[in-house]
Amino acid sequence: EVQLVESGGGLVQPGGSLRLSCTASGFTFNNYEFNWVRQAPGKGLEWVAHISTDYSTRYYIDSVKGRFTISRSNSKNSLYLQMNSLSAEDTAVYYCVRALSCCYAGFDFWGLGTLVTVSS
Amino acid sequence: SVLTQPPSTSGTPGQRVTISCSGSSSNIGSKSVNWYQQLPGTAPKLLIYSDDERPSGVPDRFSGSKSGASASLAISGLQSEDEADYYCAAWDDSLKGVLFGGGTKLTVL
Repeated sequence: EVQLVESGGGLVQPGGSLRLSCTASGFTFNNYEFNWVRQAPGKGLEWVAHISTDYSTRYYIDSVKGRFTISRSNSKNSLYLQMNSLSAEDTAVYYCVRALSCCYAGFDFWGLGTLVTVSS
Repeated sequence: SVLTQPPSTSGTPGQRVTISCSGSSSNIGSKSVNWYQQLPGTAPKLLIYSDDERPSGVPDRFSGSKSGASASLAISGLQSEDEADYYCAAWDDSLKGVLFGGGTKLTVL
C-alpha cells in the first residue's frame, strides 16, 4: 500500500525556519518525482515545489524562491522541504504528493498533510 | 489563479453537472489537465489525469475533456457523496510551475 507520511509541522514565529519531512513506503521511491502542495486555511490548493527523481531538476513557486528548498533522499525514501524566513502567508497545510510519470501536474498519491502555522 | 474555475455549482441527485477550467496557451493549451476532488476535511484525490484518463477506482461517472485552452470535468448521475471541492491543475511552461484553479464547490441539493 502506498503511504506518504508528513511530519515536522508546527507553530513557528515570523522569520523562523522549519523543515518538513515526508516518509514514503509501499513503492519504489526513486522512480517517482515529488512535489509539495499547500493549502492555507479555508483557501484553495497551491503548488509549492517539485523535484525530479535524480535531484537534478527543482522548480518553485515564485513566492518561495530563495526561502524554501526541496530535497530528497532516495536511500531513505524521504522528501524534505526546508522553509526559511517564514511569514504569515506561509501558514497552511503542506502536502507531500507523488507525481505520475506522464504529467507534471498529475499527483496520484497525497499524504495527509502537516500544518504549519506562522504566528507570533 | 491563472486557471479560472467557477467558484460554485450545484445539482440534484441523478443530474449531470460540468465544471469548467479556463487557461491559456502556456498551460492548458499545450499541457495535460488534471482534476482533483477534495472532500471536507480530507486530502485531495486525483480524479482525472492527462485530460481524460481515470485512475483505477474512480467511477466512470467522472469524465474529463479539453478543447484548446479550456477543459471540463463532467459528473453524471450526481450523488450526495459527490459534494466536494473540485480543482483543475496543469503545468505552465511560462511560469515553470504547476497551476491550480481556484476550486469549485459542488453542492448536491
